[in-house]
Order: sequence, then structure tokens, then C-alpha cells
Amino acid sequence: EAGVAQSPRYKIIEKRQSVAFWCNPISGHATLYWYQQILGQGPKLLIQFQNNGVVDDSQLPKDRFSAERLKGVDSTLKIQPAKLEDSAVYLCASSLGQALAKNIQYFGAGTRLSVL
Amino acid sequence: DQQVKQNSPSLSVQEGRISILNCDYTNSMFDYFLWYKKYPAEGPTFLISISSIKDKNEDGRFTVFLNKSAKHLSLHIVPSQPGDSAVYFCAATYSGAGSYQLTFGKGTKLSVIP
Repeated sequence: EAGVAQSPRYKIIEKRQSVAFWCNPISGHATLYWYQQILGQGPKLLIQFQNNGVVDDSQLPKDRFSAERLKGVDSTLKIQPAKLEDSAVYLCASSLGQALAKNIQYFGAGTRLSVL
Repeated sequence: DQQVKQNSPSLSVQEGRISILNCDYTNSMFDYFLWYKKYPAEGPTFLISISSIKDKNEDGRFTVFLNKSAKHLSLHIVPSQPGDSAVYFCAATYSGAGSYQLTFGKGTKLSVIP
């Protein structure tokens, strides 16, 4: 079974530029998550989708971050314009469904973003 | 406000000995807890979980203990192996959240010395 695919693996941009990350979840997984992991911290949820609808985006800085999952499968996360503090690893995860207490999320390898 | 705390950034253990990783939480609504393991340049992978109705869950060399009154859980690895060297994240969630959002600790880096 293929895992969660993310691209690119690395990205270096200058502040005020824009950047986009792509995620393809495990086939059949209805729920998709984007996390931000700053160096030395645990992953922090940015946004959660159930199929193509947003379940929780309370921690997404909406003035500069946006995400979509138009067909309920793959997803893109965009930052525009980027700030220095956006330097982090952006992790995508997926799970079968949100209505499970055993909420096992499967993570991709992440995209490491460096903003200079 | 950190709701899930892993106060030890790192831990070194000899191969074959027991590794004990600790985690504390402050939100009394949390009712499900998970441990994830992360190797460099990879995403976290699920290791073991425990519901608040239990105080122990075991899976091979890995055992998680939950002390609800102390709001504390621990992960025991016996015996420790060099391949266990990784960063371990404690995570928590609660049923009433609807979204079952996970709150992660900062992680503990385990080094198992051959």
C-alpha cells in the first residue's frame, strides 16, 4: 500500500515570495491534515479536511495561508507571502475517517521550507 | 499554553536496557493518547495508543502506562534496540472535539547505545 506522498521535499524561498506544497493521501482515506512542525517542536495542526470540506482551520493563519482539497483526494497548501517564521517542515497526514477514537494518522515525509 | 508536555528533550539508554519516555498533559478532557516515532527525514509513524478507560496497553516490546489522576503517561521499551533510536512524540485527543484533533508534545530524542 502506498503511503502519503508529498512534494517537493525541500524548498528554499525568499521572504515575501509564495510557495505551494502538494499532498496525495493514502487511497481511501477521507480525512487529510496539514501540520506545521517548527524545529524543536511537535507538529501543530493547521487545517483538517473531511473529503473536500474543511473540518477545522482554527490555527491556519488565513491572511497568508490557504489550502484546498477540491476533489476530496489530493490537497495543496499555499503560503503567500512567506515570512521568515514560516520556516518549518510541513507535514501532510491522512486517516480513514475522523469519527474514530482510534485516530491513527499516517504521515508523509514532509516538505522542509526555508525562508531567507 | 502547552497541553501536552514532554519535559525530557533527550534520553540515552544502553542496548538491552529499558527505555522510559514520559509525557504529562494538562487538559482533563483528553481521553485518547498516542505515541508516534520519527526517524530523521521521515514523517512520524504510529507506535501505540491507549484509551483513558485503560491504564496499560502492551504491544511487543512497547508498553504504554496511563495514570489519569496524575495526568501522566509513559512509554516503556524493553529491551531497547539501536533501531529504536528516534524522536518519540506523545499526542492526545478527546472524543468531544469532533475532529479528533491531535495535540502533540515537543518530542523526546531517544538514543540507544550499542
